[in-house]
This record gives sequence, C-alpha cells and structure tokens, in this order.
Amino acid sequence: QLQLQESGPGLVKPSETLSLTCTVSGGSINSNISFWGWVRQPPGKGLEWIASIFYTGSTYYNPSLKSRLTISVDTSKNQFSLEMNSVTAADTAVYFCARLTGYSGDYFDYWGQGTLVTVSS
Amino acid sequence: QSALTQPPSASGSPGQSVTISCTGTSSDIGGYNYVSWYQQHPGKAPKVMIYEVTKRPSGVPDRFSGSRSGNTASLTVSGLQSEDEADYYCSSYAGSNTLLFGGGTKLTVL
Repeated sequence: QLQLQESGPGLVKPSETLSLTCTVSGGSINSNISFWGWVRQPPGKGLEWIASIFYTGSTYYNPSLKSRLTISVDTSKNQFSLEMNSVTAADTAVYFCARLTGYSGDYFDYWGQGTLVTVSS
Repeated sequence: QSALTQPPSASGSPGQSVTISCTGTSSDIGGYNYVSWYQQHPGKAPKVMIYEVTKRPSGVPDRFSGSRSGNTASLTVSGLQSEDEADYYCSSYAGSNTLLFGGGTKLTVL
C-alpha cells in the first residue's frame, strides 16, 4: 500500500521560504504512470493545487503561484519536495502531498495526512 | 485560471439523493474528460470518489456517480447515509498539466 508522509517546519516567518518534503513508501517514485504533487488548504477553506512533478524532473506549477515555487524530486531517497519563497500569512495552510495518476496526472489517488504550516513572526 | 464554481452547501435526508454541481469553462471541464470528485471529512485528507467524469475507484460505493453536461459536472449521491456527510470538491484538468479545484460543497445529511 502506497503511503506518503509530509515533513517540514510548522512555523515560517513572513518573507522567508517554506520548505516541505514528501517521503513515499510502499512503492517507487520512479513510476511512468505517476506524477507527484502538492495541494494546500487554508484553515476553513477549499483545496488549491500548487505544483506537480514527474520522476524525470518535468515540473508543472499553478500559474498564480509559479513565480514563488520550486518543486523537485530525489529518486534516490524516494522523496519530492516543495519550496515556496516570500511567504505571507495568506500561505498559512495545511499542505498535502499526493500521487497523481491518470492522463497527465489528472487525479489524486493517494494522499499524505497533511501538515499545517503557519506563517507568522 | 479561476476556481471551478460549486454551491457552498447541499443537504438531503437519509435514503434520498442529492446532486452537487461544478461549473467551469470550455478550457477545463468542457474541454477534457478529466473531472474528479473528492470527499473530505473534517481533519482528514481528501479521498477520490469519482475520476475521469464517471469512473469509480475500487471500494467506492456505487451510490456515488458522476456526469457532465457541457461545462458543468455533477456528483450524485443516492441513498444518502450519515457517513456521506462531508465536504466535496470537484477538480478538473485544465491543460498543460495544470489542475483546478472547486470551492467545495458541504453536504449535510439531515
């Protein structure tokens, strides 16, 4: 059974960089049928797709966030990561990592439990 | 890209059917057969209930069904049960390996 687990600081200061890592277990990140992605959910609000990556390193970003994002993959560790710079309070959210499958990664079938990141001084 | 439009709330009594709509554009819902629906209980990760407009993953009850007409997708829950009370989100492929979510609908079982 595929499992995903987010890790990273729970508190980030405004203007600094948010860094999260997702560790995949129970399967290989080197899959030609899987993309890997990040989704966030501000407290009490809806879901927002952030970014996706294929194991080859091809990256895809939400256009509204693209200028602040970097998503990367480390196949040797079976992990993928997200960096978001210049964070503000509006970036406070639960961040989920998840696997995408289907045509060009069109839906999420496995999710991490989520990690709350608070942006505050 | 704008978020897909869902009604904020929906409700029904046990045993009844309820349909949740999700409206987009010809660049997302209307342009691809890649609409998915997620169920989220409080404090939990979302769970895919429908993918590629009408397909149900293994283990999802056949009380859940999906459809699409033009730029609007719909999720129907038949035979409502108390455990169906949750937030539901639609999502659509929007081209160039990008995805959109709807704002979410809170389903209440009366």
